[in-house]
Amino acid sequence: EAGVAQSPRYKIIEKRQSVAFWCNPISGHATLYWYQQILGQGPKLLIQFQNNGVVDDSQLPKDRFSAERLKGVDSTLKIQPAKLEDSAVYLCASSLTRANTEAFFGQGTRLTVV
Amino acid sequence: AQTVTQSQPEMSVQEAETVTLSCTYDTSENNYYLFWYKQPPSRQMILVIRQEAYKQQNATENRFSVNFQKAAKSFSLKISDSQLGDTAMYFCAFLTSGNQFYFGTGTSLTVIP
Repeated sequence: EAGVAQSPRYKIIEKRQSVAFWCNPISGHATLYWYQQILGQGPKLLIQFQNNGVVDDSQLPKDRFSAERLKGVDSTLKIQPAKLEDSAVYLCASSLTRANTEAFFGQGTRLTVV
Repeated sequence: AQTVTQSQPEMSVQEAETVTLSCTYDTSENNYYLFWYKQPPSRQMILVIRQEAYKQQNATENRFSVNFQKAAKSFSLKISDSQLGDTAMYFCAFLTSGNQFYFGTGTSLTVIP
């Protein structure tokens, strides 16, 4: 079974530029998460999708971050414009619909904003 | 609101020894799930062990076991016979009935040869 795929693995951009991250969850997983993990901290949930609908985006900085999950499969997370404090690892995870299953994580994208 | 607290930022253990990582959480829910995830330098989070809150029996996976104290809202991880490959960040996580994961701040474990 293929795992959660994320790309790119690394990205360096200047502040005020835009950037997009892509995630392909495990086939059949209805729930998809995007997390932001700042160095030395635990993952913080940015947004959670159930199929192509948003379940929770309460911690997503909506003035600069956006995410979509067209057709309930792949997802894209965008930052525009980026700030220095956005430097972090962005993790994508997916899980089955049932509320008792683990989340499977991708390897993440390390973003550096200079 | 759910919170997960890991009070040990860093720990070390001699190879083959036993170490316990602590985790406490706060929730008003009665049915939930708890997890320990391992994050090696490769960054990929890997599930170590899970515990259903309605089960009184502590979960065990080979060298990994938990001490789940529901009333105290405590969920510690014990690693027996520590191996060099156990060196990683360990995150305690809480899963709500709405499928939302909350993570602690992590414990960096170093296994010393």
